[in-house]
Amino acid sequence: GAVVSQHPSRVICKSGTSVKIECRSLDFQATTMFWYRQFPKKSLMLMATSNEGSKATYEQGVEKDKFLINHASLTLSTLTVTSAHPEDSSFYICSATQGWQPQHFGDGTRLSIL
Amino acid sequence: ELKVEQNPLFLSMQEGKNYTIYCNYSTTSDRLYWYRQDPGKSLESLFVLLSNGAVKQEGRLMASLDTKARLSTLHITAAVHDLSATYFCAVDTGNQFYFGTGTSLTVIP
Repeated sequence: GAVVSQHPSRVICKSGTSVKIECRSLDFQATTMFWYRQFPKKSLMLMATSNEGSKATYEQGVEKDKFLINHASLTLSTLTVTSAHPEDSSFYICSATQGWQPQHFGDGTRLSIL
Repeated sequence: ELKVEQNPLFLSMQEGKNYTIYCNYSTTSDRLYWYRQDPGKSLESLFVLLSNGAVKQEGRLMASLDTKARLSTLHITAAVHDLSATYFCAVDTGNQFYFGTGTSLTVIP
């Protein structure tokens, strides 16, 4: 069964709305969670790395104020796309890991901004 | 910056044939992963390769790692239609985790 739950799986909303995506590790404590973005027919692009209780580390070119990441507990990280616009439409995938264990990926969230 | 390149980017092959996908990376790493992605879905972990010379096989897929050459291969044996998907390698250097460019595989009946 799934060890990482990502919610929601699909979001369609109007431009200017803020959208929150949740990523939960179900049966282990995730010391680190990752957020990725994927454009159609492209590879995954790491957006940020999030360690529990500390600020996320963002990759170069990723706007911190646009993509707010909170990792408040060892089982939950959230990504909030603030004031979303059509160019933010994408497939967002989270993953979680414990120590040096391989990453477990969520099912992804398809975000469409109209 | 770490670069992870896969070849080919697109692959169309007939059922029953064999083929190899290559993953080249630009820096030292002892941890390499292979994933499968079906359209509209997230990633499914296929293999984790943790040392030079590692070889793992699952069904018609076999993955290998040569850390000296900074090369991993994913070999497909006697392809079947169900293997149609996009395959990604990913490299973990400890400080960085980057996905390859992906190989879109279509197996034709």
